[in-house]
Amino acid sequence: KQEVTQIPAALSVPEGENLVLNCSFTDSAIYNLQWFRQDPGKGLTSLLLIQSSQREQTSGRLNASLDKSSGRSTLYIAASQPGDSATYLCALTADSSYKLIFGSGTRLLVRP
Amino acid sequence: DTGVSQNPRHKITKRGQNVTFRCDPISEHNRLYWYRQTLGQGPEFLTYFQNEAQLEKSRLLSDRFSAERPKGSFSTLEIQRTEQGDSAMYLCASSPSLNAFFGQGTRLTVV
Repeated sequence: KQEVTQIPAALSVPEGENLVLNCSFTDSAIYNLQWFRQDPGKGLTSLLLIQSSQREQTSGRLNASLDKSSGRSTLYIAASQPGDSATYLCALTADSSYKLIFGSGTRLLVRP
Repeated sequence: DTGVSQNPRHKITKRGQNVTFRCDPISEHNRLYWYRQTLGQGPEFLTYFQNEAQLEKSRLLSDRFSAERPKGSFSTLEIQRTEQGDSAMYLCASSPSLNAFFGQGTRLTVV
């Protein structure tokens, strides 16, 4: 059974710091992996999608990498800002339904 | 706004009552998903439609839960005889293929 784990569960950093969020999964047979952002009490916003044949994707200050063989993905946030404070969720799809299997998220606080 | 729309945004109900939530997906997205999220956890898959066909249901979806997507457009999720354990955020997502687009969710509180 595919399981997704995110470490750390919570992270507090000063503004301007570069940071890395980690996601691990137990089965390397995945279709794709997505990183989402969730603000308190709100829905999810897709940040980056990496297909299984890709190694990384970049959007602005965000970079996500995927290493299927080791069952790991990382989300790198450069020059963090208070507006980046949110919960970041990693999710993957493992079959043709494209249903998402989520980790529990990392709650990020960027202090001014 | 042509994003995924969910109604109501909040619902408080007494234990034992029935509730129904509605999801309006992005038009022309043929896939529609329902997820449930409890505090501090990631969303968990409930069910999936491709057009009007319900193709997969999670074991989380007990007999008290039913979902429909008539004509492959909007979808409804009904919970009968609600229990306190049903309190959660119910999220709907639609997708044309790879990317999933989520609504703002319906927060259900069962008292």
